[in-house]
Amino acid sequence: GAGVSQSPSNKVTEKGKDVELRCDPISGHTALYWYRQRLGQGLEFLIYFQGNSAPDKSGLPSDRFSAERTGESVSTLTIQRTQQEDSAVYLCASSLDRDSYEQYFGPGTRLTVT
Amino acid sequence: DAKTTQPNSMESNEEEPVHLPCNHSTISGTDYIHWYRQLPSQGPEYVIHGLTSNVNNRMASLAIAEDRKSSTLILHRATLRDAAVYYCILRPLSVGGGSQGNLIFGKGTKLSVKP
Repeated sequence: GAGVSQSPSNKVTEKGKDVELRCDPISGHTALYWYRQRLGQGLEFLIYFQGNSAPDKSGLPSDRFSAERTGESVSTLTIQRTQQEDSAVYLCASSLDRDSYEQYFGPGTRLTVT
Repeated sequence: DAKTTQPNSMESNEEEPVHLPCNHSTISGTDYIHWYRQLPSQGPEYVIHGLTSNVNNRMASLAIAEDRKSSTLILHRATLRDAAVYYCILRPLSVGGGSQGNLIFGKGTKLSVKP
């Protein structure tokens, strides 16, 4: 079946602009995660959605970052007033539910802030 | 959160076994040991996980020390496609019986496979 998809695959933006990144999880997966990966580094957790519960926003690096999820479907990560340090690959993952062992990752969106 | 320590890089020859070590001396009794790998320009993918007993699946084997302070991911016959960064991750056991929450990634071990 279809895996996690993300769009766009690449995004180049000017410093100070807002960007929106989209994630389509696997159908039926109630848990959705956003991570960020800077060049040559491991993944950093950003935010986690589980069903209709309040999201876990503990990983968001600043108030310029926000995310929404409509029910158990699409999620959008928004970065306002982008800075050069926001340049990274943004990865989305989903899992069947919070207790599931396995997270399925999308291919990521490469964001470059010039 | 308990942390893991892995070598930065390892090399292997194609068709030979590979043993990727991970130290987690501060592991708690309810932490699962998970392994993910990330192929170049792709998102991570799940490899295997375990709690106390050794585990086998179609991708790899996981050997867990008796005191659980270390574990080893074993690829029985490395192929060129196994060249990736391998991450050893600890995840706490949830009330529902599975693992829960976000994954905490370190820098992992970059495995190179020579033909």
